[in-house]
Amino acid sequence: DTEVTQTPKHLVMGMTNKKSLKCEQHMGHRAMYWYKQKAKKPPELMFVYSYEKLSINESVPSRFSPECPNSSLLNLHLHALQPEDSALYLCATSTDRGTYNEQFFGPGTRLTVL
Amino acid sequence: AQSVTQLDSQVPVFEEAPVELRCNYSSSVSVYLFWYVQYPNQGLQLLLKYLSGSTLVKGINGFEAEFNKSQTSFHLRKPSVHISDTAEYFCAVSDQDSGGYQKVTFGIGTKLQVIP
Repeated sequence: DTEVTQTPKHLVMGMTNKKSLKCEQHMGHRAMYWYKQKAKKPPELMFVYSYEKLSINESVPSRFSPECPNSSLLNLHLHALQPEDSALYLCATSTDRGTYNEQFFGPGTRLTVL
Repeated sequence: AQSVTQLDSQVPVFEEAPVELRCNYSSSVSVYLFWYVQYPNQGLQLLLKYLSGSTLVKGINGFEAEFNKSQTSFHLRKPSVHISDTAEYFCAVSDQDSGGYQKVTFGIGTKLQVIP
């Protein structure tokens, strides 16, 4: 299995809602990433997990809360988001944290905050 | 931190014509370079990567890229494009942060528009 899956595909939420994005992989990869991509822009790194431990937090606001319950799953919990948080949220994985490793991307969750 | 510059935001090209998408990187001792493609409403897919060795790298879908150290470039080429190649193409460089973790920095992207 060489796929990274993300659910849901689309999500519309209000500013007072709490929701979660889910990412799953069964490739045995030990590094997992969350990226945010605005329209017509490159992906921007948000968080990196290595061996289920949070390794990098790119100064992301606390309304975004990542979680890695096991080596196959990565969640992004959302609370009190702003309209400017509307974007495509991409999950990626790689073998480990090495700089030469290819990252495998999921299809993304298109988030709209009203 | 390393960076990449994609010189063209959009490249229109006729079907079956050759194409080159340009990418320059900031110089460093070790360079790990990637080209990713993103089709509309999808995630990113790796086209090819340069880690070391041969400077001509062949990827999927008939794409190739040449690593040129003297010009700090990693341009992507295809001899004959198809309509299905219409997509956004990102050049990327991989680096290590102070904690030893991989950080990938993407260029701004080049929109390849193949014209029938």
